[in-house]
Amino acid sequence: DTGVSQDPRHKITKRGQNVTFRCDPISEHNRLYWYRQTLGQGPEFLTYFQNEAQLEKSRLLSDRFSAERPKGSFSTLEIQRTEQGDSAMYLCASGWTGGGYGYTFGSGTRLTVV
Amino acid sequence: LAKTTQPISMDSYEGQEVNITCSHNNIATNDYITWYQQFPSQGPRFIIQGYKTKVTNEVASLFIPADRKSSTLSLPRVSLSDTAVYYCLVGDNQAGTALIFGKGTTLSVSS
Repeated sequence: DTGVSQDPRHKITKRGQNVTFRCDPISEHNRLYWYRQTLGQGPEFLTYFQNEAQLEKSRLLSDRFSAERPKGSFSTLEIQRTEQGDSAMYLCASGWTGGGYGYTFGSGTRLTVV
Repeated sequence: LAKTTQPISMDSYEGQEVNITCSHNNIATNDYITWYQQFPSQGPRFIIQGYKTKVTNEVASLFIPADRKSSTLSLPRVSLSDTAVYYCLVGDNQAGTALIFGKGTTLSVSS
């Protein structure tokens, strides 16, 4: 068990560019969650998957945000046409159906849009 | 999802016991109470979870009264390394609802 891995750890991009983040969950976990966190705020829920099915995506911030989890393994979060307001920490967590709320979070990807 | 209310900040000294109380007046029958800890530039870390009465692990204790409208996270003999943000959350994981975080309680431990 190597924990939840997120890549990259830091990303600086110019406004208007597309970015993609990757999350590798704990292999035994069937659920995967994406959160966004800005300074001084708690993590903000974006979307989650159970296996490969995206069960909740209404909280994705706009249609510029999309997530995938092909084959129920790793997941990607893409932001198209980035804006300065997208600058934040993007966190991934994994868990399993019978595990209560004992999610395991990754260390996050810090995005800076300039 | 049940809304939670917890203090914005707390201060303590090394070696003291710290109790952080969280209110969740409209907690549902199937909701569990979960606490996370977060250090700067890191993802939140699960501390403890409970449904009723008392739960204890190697890190903390969680006290839940019979009406379940509040809960108290107890950290025994805190150290400087316990300085962090602590989040109280309630929800029903079996129903598939994701955890919704509030602003949490910033605990500052001084020597």
